[in-house]
Amino acid sequence: EAQVTQNPRYLITVTGKKLTVTCSQNMNHEYMSWYRQDPGLGLRQIYYSMNVEVTDKGDVPEGYKVSRKEKRNFPLILESPSPNQTSLYFCASSLSRTVSYEQYFGPGTRLTVT
Amino acid sequence: AQKITQTQPGMFVQEKEAVTLDCTYDTSDQSYGLFWYKQPSSGEMIFLIYQGSYDEQNATEGRYSLNFQKARKSANLVISASQLGDSAMYFCAMRGSYGGATNKLIFGTGTLLAVQP
Repeated sequence: EAQVTQNPRYLITVTGKKLTVTCSQNMNHEYMSWYRQDPGLGLRQIYYSMNVEVTDKGDVPEGYKVSRKEKRNFPLILESPSPNQTSLYFCASSLSRTVSYEQYFGPGTRLTVT
Repeated sequence: AQKITQTQPGMFVQEKEAVTLDCTYDTSDQSYGLFWYKQPSSGEMIFLIYQGSYDEQNATEGRYSLNFQKARKSANLVISASQLGDSAMYFCAMRGSYGGATNKLIFGTGTLLAVQP
């Protein structure tokens, strides 16, 4: 089954404790992105990757890191989480950057930073 | 700048009736794509329907159709014969050719639809 998986699905952590949210897709997609969803703001892109070892900042990259060492995996790293990073996070992938190509979303990771 | 506007924070509809969710967009790109996603209370993002800027016909997918009016820059989602399971948040999103390099979708703020029995 074609899918994007994320782990963990739920996470409660404390300020400053480094964490990683994993993302994996089995569709051999080149393009992957991370979004955060906040009430009243919709989804905003954090980082994206066009291929292995190629990543760049999206609209809200502060406080986040990513890596793309393998095509299927695109982990999101919070080196020192803060309460304003409490959010719902989505990983997404697509085959191409052509405007018509659908982005497949993972199930989401609900993060709470206290 | 690219922008998606959804002016209806919440809506009610009776079961079996049709409902229209509004979406207007702003872009200077000639080539762009418009998407609608459904987000139930469980949180996942479910792709519903896609409309390309050069598509002459309105997109349809089962009970979902997209009322695309290019001159007015609107891409409203129409759900026919509403079901209780349609209760969810609905997001309109756009990807433009400039945004292609970032693979970024621009999202609206969403409309929360409640279907009443």
